[in-house]
Amino acid sequence: DTGVSQDPRHKITKRGQNVTFRCDPISEHNRLYWYRQTLGQGPEFLTYFQNEAQLEKSRLLSDRFSAERPKGSFSTLEIQRTEQGDSAMYLCASSWEGSSYGYTFGSGTRLTVV
Amino acid sequence: DAKTTQPPSMDCAEGRAANLPCNHSTISGNEYVYWYRQIHSQGPQYIIHGLKNNETNEMASLIITEDRKSSTLILPHATLRDTAVYYCIAQTGTASKLTFGTGTRLQVTL
Repeated sequence: DTGVSQDPRHKITKRGQNVTFRCDPISEHNRLYWYRQTLGQGPEFLTYFQNEAQLEKSRLLSDRFSAERPKGSFSTLEIQRTEQGDSAMYLCASSWEGSSYGYTFGSGTRLTVV
Repeated sequence: DAKTTQPPSMDCAEGRAANLPCNHSTISGNEYVYWYRQIHSQGPQYIIHGLKNNETNEMASLIITEDRKSSTLILPHATLRDTAVYYCIAQTGTASKLTFGTGTRLQVTL
Protein backbone atom coordinates (compact mmCIF):
# COMPACT_ATOMS: atom_id res chain seq x y z
CA ASP A 1 0.00 0.00 0.00
CA THR A 2 1.59 3.23 -1.10
CA GLY A 3 -0.95 5.61 0.43
CA VAL A 4 -0.69 7.80 3.51
CA SER A 5 -1.08 5.80 6.68
CA GLN A 6 -2.02 7.08 10.11
CA ASP A 7 -1.83 5.38 13.44
CA PRO A 8 -3.85 4.85 15.53
CA ARG A 9 -7.24 5.07 13.79
CA HIS A 10 -9.01 5.76 17.06
CA LYS A 11 -7.81 7.06 20.41
CA ILE A 12 -9.81 7.58 23.58
CA THR A 13 -7.99 9.41 26.33
CA LYS A 14 -8.77 11.05 29.63
CA ARG A 15 -8.61 14.79 29.94
CA GLY A 16 -5.14 15.90 30.93
CA GLN A 17 -3.32 12.99 29.34
CA ASN A 18 -0.81 13.33 26.50
CA VAL A 19 -1.39 11.65 23.15
CA THR A 20 0.80 11.14 20.10
CA PHE A 21 -0.26 10.34 16.56
CA ARG A 22 1.90 9.09 13.73
CA CYS A 23 1.69 9.72 10.00
CA ASP A 24 3.62 7.90 7.28
CA PRO A 25 3.39 9.84 4.00
CA ILE A 26 3.88 8.61 0.46
CA SER A 27 7.62 8.05 0.25
CA GLU A 28 8.19 10.26 -2.80
CA HIS A 29 6.38 13.22 -1.24
CA ASN A 30 8.46 15.85 0.51
CA ARG A 31 5.56 17.87 1.96
CA LEU A 32 3.49 16.67 4.88
CA TYR A 33 0.44 18.38 6.35
CA TRP A 34 -1.65 18.03 9.49
CA TYR A 35 -5.30 19.02 9.58
CA ARG A 36 -8.01 18.84 12.22
CA GLN A 37 -11.68 18.27 11.48
CA THR A 38 -14.62 18.60 13.82
CA LEU A 39 -18.13 17.37 13.16
CA GLY A 40 -19.87 19.13 10.29
CA GLN A 41 -16.87 21.25 9.36
CA GLY A 42 -14.27 21.01 6.65
CA PRO A 43 -10.71 20.12 7.61
CA GLU A 44 -8.72 22.98 9.17
CA PHE A 45 -5.02 23.41 8.51
CA LEU A 46 -2.71 22.95 11.49
CA THR A 47 0.85 22.79 10.16
CA TYR A 48 3.03 21.58 7.32
CA PHE A 49 6.55 20.35 6.74
CA GLN A 50 8.75 20.48 3.71
CA ASN A 51 11.26 17.71 4.22
CA GLU A 52 12.16 18.01 7.91
CA ALA A 53 11.49 21.74 8.22
CA GLN A 54 8.23 22.92 9.76
CA LEU A 55 7.41 25.87 7.53
CA GLU A 56 4.02 27.04 8.71
CA LYS A 57 1.86 26.69 11.80
CA SER A 58 -1.75 27.74 12.20
CA ARG A 59 -2.91 29.83 15.14
CA LEU A 60 -5.05 26.79 15.93
CA LEU A 61 -1.86 25.02 16.98
CA SER A 62 -1.65 26.05 20.62
CA ASP A 63 1.41 25.56 22.82
CA ARG A 64 0.03 22.17 23.82
CA PHE A 65 0.46 20.90 20.27
CA SER A 66 3.78 19.96 18.77
CA ALA A 67 4.63 18.27 15.50
CA GLU A 68 7.88 16.79 14.29
CA ARG A 69 9.22 15.22 11.16
CA PRO A 70 12.74 14.30 12.26
CA LYS A 71 14.16 12.74 9.11
CA GLY A 72 11.81 14.14 6.54
CA SER A 73 9.86 10.91 6.40
CA PHE A 74 7.19 10.07 9.02
CA SER A 75 5.72 12.72 11.30
CA THR A 76 4.27 12.77 14.78
CA LEU A 77 1.70 15.11 16.28
CA GLU A 78 1.63 15.32 20.06
CA ILE A 79 -1.06 16.93 22.17
CA GLN A 80 -0.16 17.58 25.78
CA ARG A 81 -2.68 17.96 28.62
CA THR A 82 -5.60 17.09 26.37
CA GLU A 83 -8.87 18.98 26.73
CA GLN A 84 -12.36 17.97 25.64
CA GLY A 85 -12.18 20.56 22.89
CA ASP A 86 -9.33 18.60 21.32
CA SER A 87 -11.78 15.85 20.37
CA ALA A 88 -11.68 15.74 16.59
CA MET A 89 -10.42 13.84 13.57
CA TYR A 90 -6.74 14.52 12.92
CA LEU A 91 -5.83 14.14 9.28
CA CYS A 92 -2.44 13.85 7.65
CA ALA A 93 -1.73 14.48 3.97
CA SER A 94 1.32 14.54 1.73
CA SER A 95 2.29 16.03 -1.60
CA TRP A 96 5.27 16.81 -3.79
CA GLU A 97 6.51 20.39 -3.79
CA GLY A 98 6.20 21.90 -7.23
CA SER A 99 3.44 19.59 -8.34
CA SER A 100 -0.01 21.02 -8.97
CA TYR A 101 -1.61 17.65 -8.34
CA GLY A 102 -3.69 17.22 -5.28
CA TYR A 103 -2.76 16.07 -1.84
CA THR A 104 -3.11 12.48 -0.70
CA PHE A 105 -4.83 12.21 2.67
CA GLY A 106 -4.72 9.42 5.19
CA SER A 107 -7.81 8.03 6.86
CA GLY A 108 -7.23 10.07 9.98
CA THR A 109 -7.01 9.49 13.71
CA ARG A 110 -10.21 10.09 15.63
CA LEU A 111 -9.46 11.45 19.10
CA THR A 112 -12.04 11.40 21.86
CA VAL A 113 -11.16 13.13 25.11
CA VAL A 114 -13.36 12.05 28.04
CA ASP B 1 -6.66 31.78 -1.83
CA ALA B 2 -9.89 32.78 -3.52
CA LYS B 3 -13.13 32.18 -1.61
CA THR B 4 -15.46 29.56 -3.06
CA THR B 5 -19.22 29.20 -2.61
CA GLN B 6 -21.05 25.89 -2.89
CA PRO B 7 -24.63 24.83 -2.14
CA PRO B 8 -24.80 23.03 1.20
CA SER B 9 -26.57 19.95 -0.16
CA MET B 10 -27.78 18.25 -3.32
CA ASP B 11 -29.59 15.06 -4.21
CA CYS B 12 -29.07 12.88 -7.27
CA ALA B 13 -30.70 9.68 -8.46
CA GLU B 14 -28.41 6.72 -8.97
CA GLY B 15 -27.32 6.38 -12.58
CA ARG B 16 -27.96 10.02 -13.37
CA ALA B 17 -25.30 12.70 -13.77
CA ALA B 18 -24.50 14.72 -10.67
CA ASN B 19 -23.59 18.33 -11.45
CA LEU B 20 -22.01 20.13 -8.51
CA PRO B 21 -21.57 23.90 -8.93
CA CYS B 22 -18.95 26.14 -7.39
CA ASN B 23 -18.56 29.91 -7.55
CA HIS B 24 -15.08 31.44 -7.29
CA SER B 25 -15.60 34.95 -8.62
CA THR B 26 -12.40 36.33 -7.08
CA ILE B 27 -10.11 33.64 -8.47
CA SER B 28 -6.77 34.94 -9.70
CA GLY B 29 -5.01 33.95 -12.89
CA ASN B 30 -2.59 31.51 -11.28
CA GLU B 31 -5.12 29.74 -9.08
CA TYR B 32 -6.36 26.29 -9.97
CA VAL B 33 -9.78 24.89 -9.14
CA TYR B 34 -9.47 21.70 -7.12
CA TRP B 35 -12.18 19.25 -6.16
CA TYR B 36 -11.96 16.81 -3.30
CA ARG B 37 -14.57 14.58 -1.74
CA GLN B 38 -14.87 13.07 1.69
CA ILE B 39 -16.82 9.93 2.29
CA HIS B 40 -18.02 9.48 5.85
CA SER B 41 -15.24 8.71 8.35
CA GLN B 42 -12.51 8.81 5.70
CA GLY B 43 -9.93 11.41 4.72
CA PRO B 44 -10.59 13.71 1.76
CA GLN B 45 -9.88 12.23 -1.66
CA TYR B 46 -8.51 14.26 -4.55
CA ILE B 47 -10.82 14.12 -7.59
CA ILE B 48 -9.64 16.54 -10.25
CA HIS B 49 -8.21 19.98 -10.84
CA GLY B 50 -8.01 22.50 -13.66
CA LEU B 51 -6.77 25.97 -14.53
CA LYS B 52 -8.59 27.14 -17.65
CA ASN B 53 -9.50 24.17 -19.77
CA ASN B 54 -12.10 21.55 -19.07
CA GLU B 55 -10.64 18.38 -17.62
CA THR B 56 -11.75 14.78 -17.49
CA ASN B 57 -10.37 11.77 -15.69
CA GLU B 58 -11.66 8.37 -14.68
CA MET B 59 -13.61 9.84 -11.78
CA ALA B 60 -15.20 13.01 -13.09
CA SER B 61 -15.24 15.96 -15.47
CA LEU B 62 -14.53 19.55 -14.55
CA ILE B 63 -16.11 22.34 -16.55
CA ILE B 64 -14.67 25.83 -15.95
CA THR B 65 -16.44 28.86 -17.38
CA GLU B 66 -14.50 31.04 -19.79
CA ASP B 67 -14.26 33.87 -17.24
CA ARG B 68 -13.16 31.30 -14.62
CA LYS B 69 -15.59 32.67 -12.08
CA SER B 70 -17.41 29.38 -11.67
CA SER B 71 -17.05 25.69 -12.35
CA THR B 72 -19.05 22.48 -12.30
CA LEU B 73 -17.93 19.05 -11.25
CA ILE B 74 -19.74 16.33 -13.16
CA LEU B 75 -20.06 12.75 -12.00
CA PRO B 76 -21.48 11.20 -15.19
CA HIS B 77 -23.24 8.19 -13.68
CA ALA B 78 -23.62 8.65 -9.96
CA THR B 79 -23.69 5.58 -7.72
CA LEU B 80 -24.54 5.18 -4.05
CA ARG B 81 -20.80 5.12 -3.33
CA ASP B 82 -20.55 8.70 -4.59
CA THR B 83 -22.53 9.90 -1.56
CA ALA B 84 -20.05 12.24 0.13
CA VAL B 85 -19.18 15.84 0.91
CA TYR B 86 -17.60 17.52 -2.11
CA TYR B 87 -15.19 20.42 -1.61
CA CYS B 88 -14.27 23.00 -4.23
CA ILE B 89 -11.01 24.85 -3.52
CA ALA B 90 -9.26 27.60 -5.47
CA GLN B 91 -5.57 28.01 -4.87
CA THR B 92 -2.21 28.15 -6.59
CA GLY B 93 -0.73 24.85 -7.66
CA THR B 94 2.20 25.00 -5.28
CA ALA B 95 0.41 26.63 -2.35
CA SER B 96 1.48 25.51 1.07
CA LYS B 97 -1.98 24.54 2.27
CA LEU B 98 -5.51 23.76 1.17
CA THR B 99 -8.29 25.85 2.67
CA PHE B 100 -11.51 23.86 2.93
CA GLY B 101 -14.98 25.33 3.23
CA THR B 102 -18.00 23.32 4.32
CA GLY B 103 -18.58 21.79 0.87
CA THR B 104 -21.67 20.27 -0.74
CA ARG B 105 -23.19 17.18 0.77
CA LEU B 106 -24.25 15.00 -2.18
CA GLN B 107 -26.79 12.32 -1.43
CA VAL B 108 -27.23 9.70 -4.16
CA THR B 109 -30.50 7.82 -3.86
CA LEU B 110 -32.05 4.75 -5.48
